[in-house]
Amino acid sequence: DAEITQSPRHKITETGRQVTLACHQTWNHNNMFWYRQDLGHGLRLIHYSYGVQDTNKGEVSDGYSVSRSNTEDLPLTLESAASSQTSVYFCASSETDPAEAFFGQGTRLTVV
Amino acid sequence: LAKTTQPISMDSYEGQEVNITCSHNNIATNDYITWYQQFPSQGPRFIIQGYKTKVTNEVASLFIPADRKSSTLSLPRVSLSDTAVYYCLVGRGNQFYFGTGTSLTVIP
Repeated sequence: DAEITQSPRHKITETGRQVTLACHQTWNHNNMFWYRQDLGHGLRLIHYSYGVQDTNKGEVSDGYSVSRSNTEDLPLTLESAASSQTSVYFCASSETDPAEAFFGQGTRLTVV
Repeated sequence: LAKTTQPISMDSYEGQEVNITCSHNNIATNDYITWYQQFPSQGPRFIIQGYKTKVTNEVASLFIPADRKSSTLSLPRVSLSDTAVYYCLVGRGNQFYFGTGTSLTVIP
């Protein structure tokens, strides 16, 4: 069955370190998204991509970057991790309308 | 970016029909209305999407009045496994807002 997987599921890192969260989908979807979820804020869009070599900033993109070198993967990089980036991160993909998206299981990131 | 307002929480007894209303006063002409369900420690799961009037699938119904400034998600005969957070989204393309959702608790 097609799926979307995130790795790692849990990570603890130190302030100032570069961190990359992986997202891999096997549906061959063009659209991929990264969100963060924090108490009291729901899910907020970080970056999104509508295809290979396409990346766009979302609502809360400062301190994050993404790259799309193939259809299946959209890694999220925190250039210099900060405590404010402690959160649960979700990756999603969709075929056509981005609102009908399939989400991964999430990555819980703690920055100490 | 159209924002939404939902009740923070709701309780319902098992077997009852549950209606969750979402307000979206500044919905744009091209915006769709979409609902997601999220269980603890899992990613959101798409439930239903509509543009106007009524949409029904095997899981839920979505009622949208003519002015489209609100919508109601209807869950028939809820069970304990329907305890989750339900999000109403309004938008099109990448422009949609998740909000904080409605935490539904189903009571035995």
